[in-house]
Parts: sequence; C-alpha cells; structure tokens
Amino acid sequence: AQSVSQHNHHVILSEAASLELGCNYSYGGTVNLFWYVQYPGQHLQLLLKYFSGDPLVKGIKGFEAEFIKSKFSFNLRKPSVQWSDTAEYFCAVNLLGNYGQNFVFGPGTRLSVLP
Amino acid sequence: DGGITQSPKYLFRKEGQNVTLSCEQNLNHDAMYWYRQDPGQGLRLIYYSQIVNDFQKGDIAEGYSVSREKKESFPLTVTSAQKNPTAFYLCASSIDTRAVNQPQHFGDGTRLSIL
Repeated sequence: AQSVSQHNHHVILSEAASLELGCNYSYGGTVNLFWYVQYPGQHLQLLLKYFSGDPLVKGIKGFEAEFIKSKFSFNLRKPSVQWSDTAEYFCAVNLLGNYGQNFVFGPGTRLSVLP
Repeated sequence: DGGITQSPKYLFRKEGQNVTLSCEQNLNHDAMYWYRQDPGQGLRLIYYSQIVNDFQKGDIAEGYSVSREKKESFPLTVTSAQKNPTAFYLCASSIDTRAVNQPQHFGDGTRLSIL
C-alpha cells in the first residue's frame, strides 16, 4: 500500500534556526505533493504544492520544498524559523490515477520554536 | 468568504449512541472527504464522495456512515459499532477527485469524546 513517512515526530528549534522536515513516499507512479500546516487551534492550510516543472517550489511564509524523484522525497525547508511557525506539519501525496482515495497523508511533524 | 464549516466543534457521546457530525461547503466543490486524525497517525480516510448521491468507503469506514443528498453537505454519522470513536474528525473538499492536482480545503474539525 502507498504510504507517506515523515522523519521526525517532534522538532524543537530556537528562533532563527534553519528548518528541514523530511518526507518520503512509497509509490512508483506519478504524484503530486503537498505540505499542509496546522497552527494550534486552526484548520489545516496548504503551505505549498508541487505538480510538475521546477522541483524546488516556494510556498507561503518563506517555506520551500524540493522534490527529489530518485529519492521519493519532498523535504520542507525554511532558512530561519520564527516563533509563529510553531505548528504541526503534514506531508501529503496525491496519487495520480487513483480516483477518490488519492490523498495519502504522513503522520505529521510537530514543530516547536522557542522564543 | 468561501469555505468549509464543521459543527459542532466539540461533541460528547455516550456509549451506545449514534452521533452525526455536520460538514457544509460553499466552494461549489464536487468532491468531499472525511478524515480521522489521531496523534502520531496523521489523517486516515473514512469516506469520500465524488458527486451527489455517491460515496465510497475509505481506509477505515467500519462503524461510520455518510450521506450526500446535497452538493454542499456531507454529514458523517459515528455509530455505536465504532469501538474507538474518540478522535479529531476533519472534513475536506476539492474541486473534483479526478482533478488530482487540486489541493483539498479543510474545515476546522470536530473533536469527539466518549463519556
């Protein structure tokens, strides 16, 4: 079965530190890739997405992610985190051709940024 | 503003009782989804609907039921057959499950607890 794994369950950083959250998926076909963020008490919001073209995609709030097809990875990065980035981050994979059950989510990574 | 409305925000259920979670969207989306979110497990698909009067089971449909009588509405009933219903339930929608590069939009969720 297709799956999405995220490398860390909980990441703790100080403000201004650099961030990289790992995401790997197991599916040999064509995929679309997403990162969602859930701030405390809020709903899931789309951070960025990759469909095709340049494998380095820029999202909101200074986040970016790089799709490396050979590694089945879509890691999320931010050069300098802020306290307001404290949230839970979910990687999701959209499996082309698999109608309906086409969004597979990772287990999430909780990011805590210390002021 | 267009979006997805879930109600109630918090719901308590007595053992042996059925409860229904509401999900309404005004985004004119064809596809709607119900997910269950448990700590450390990410989102798991319960049911999805591609169009009015049609719905399909997801990965963990046992103990749940849905209906899709209107495009805007996709209520989820947690039945007494669901042995571990305590969780956070998220409703989502997307333009069309066949438009696989469209991200999902999420509601704020309903937290269900057993008394």
